[in-house]
Amino acid sequence: SQKIEQNSEALNIQEGKTATLTCNYTNYSPAYLQWYRQDPGRGPVFLLLIRENEKEKRKERLKVTFDTTLKQSLFHITASQPADSATYLCALDIPSNSGYALNFGKGTSLLVTP
Amino acid sequence: DTGVSQDPRHKITKRGQNVTFRCDPISEHNRLYWYRQTLGQGPEFLTYFQNEAQLEKSRLLSDRFSAERPKGSFSTLEIQRTEQGDSAMYLCASTAREETQYFGPGTRLLVL
Repeated sequence: SQKIEQNSEALNIQEGKTATLTCNYTNYSPAYLQWYRQDPGRGPVFLLLIRENEKEKRKERLKVTFDTTLKQSLFHITASQPADSATYLCALDIPSNSGYALNFGKGTSLLVTP
Repeated sequence: DTGVSQDPRHKITKRGQNVTFRCDPISEHNRLYWYRQTLGQGPEFLTYFQNEAQLEKSRLLSDRFSAERPKGSFSTLEIQRTEQGDSAMYLCASTAREETQYFGPGTRLLVL
């Protein structure tokens, strides 16, 4: 069955540094991969989508890479700020689902300290 | 605020009671999803509507769960005879296309 794995440990970094989060998947051939941000007690918020034929995508301080050979995506936040502290979720489409519902990883908790 | 609203935001109930949650998606979105999220886990898919038709149901959606979207606008999720294992955050999401989903703030359910 399809499996998505994200860094199980929380990531603590200092303000101004680059945070790098990992998403690995198995038994998948996704057409695209998405990253969402979730704050405590809130719903996930879409950040970036990268397609299988794209190696890298950027949006402001965010960068996502997608390696379909390694079955891995890396999510980078450059010049991190305390406001970036949140849980970041990786999501892939559920292959058999006609409605493009999403299968999420457990998420990685990021804490950026001043 | 994504434009998707859910009500109530919090619900505490006793085991065995029925509960109903409501989701109002973004008005032009024809696709609506329900997910469940427990502590330390990512959201898990429960069911999907395209307009008023319920097209997909996860095996997580036991017989005690029922969802409707009567006019293709708002949706309700009902849990009958609640169990402590139903305690979770119930999330609704909507989209007009098959990719990015817009999530509501969720309804946090606690079953005592």
